[in-house]
Amino acid sequence: DVKVTQSSRYLVKRTGEKVFLECVQDMDHENMFWYRQDPGLGLRLIYFSYDVKMKEKGDIPEGYSVSREKKERFSLILESASTNQTSMYLCATQTGSGNTIYFGEGSWLTVV
Amino acid sequence: KQEVTQIPAALSVPEGENLVLNCSFTDSAIYNLQWFRQDPGKGLTSLLLIQSSQREQTSGRLNASLDKSSGRSTLYIAASQPGDSATYLCAVRAGANSKLTFGKGITLSVRP
Repeated sequence: DVKVTQSSRYLVKRTGEKVFLECVQDMDHENMFWYRQDPGLGLRLIYFSYDVKMKEKGDIPEGYSVSREKKERFSLILESASTNQTSMYLCATQTGSGNTIYFGEGSWLTVV
Repeated sequence: KQEVTQIPAALSVPEGENLVLNCSFTDSAIYNLQWFRQDPGKGLTSLLLIQSSQREQTSGRLNASLDKSSGRSTLYIAASQPGDSATYLCAVRAGANSKLTFGKGITLSVRP
């Protein structure tokens, strides 16, 4: 089975803090994604990566950056957290193009 | 721009009913379509993936169909059980390297 691990399930951060969300996958998948999910807005793609050190902007990249130094790990970074970034963040992975996408359990971030 | 719609937003049925969840999309030029299940507070679990050349896919009590020309997919759940209670999302992909476009999901409640 594919395992996508988001190490932090629940976080509470203060406005202006730098926040790191980590995602690790164990299936050697090339593609990794970060989404956020909000009531009424559904899932929105923040950033994705097709390979180590590669990154592509999704639909809502503003206020976020990512890092992929190793194939199995994809990090989402909030440089200066704001209250409108309070959300559930979902990491996902995929092998090759157009194949099944697998999600982690999600990270609930509250910015106060 | 592709839009994915799932109506109704919520559905409540008694245990044992066969039910159909609908998904419609505006651009019929899709590469594939994927159905997911999401339990409260959790990530998404992939249920079925249908390629554009396929008409349906089955897994256990689940059957997903695809009619590209009409821009529709249905997820059929046979003999529903309380454990099927969850939110069901569909997502379409325009090309092999395209991002997924998600619907907002249908929250299903199966009453014992």
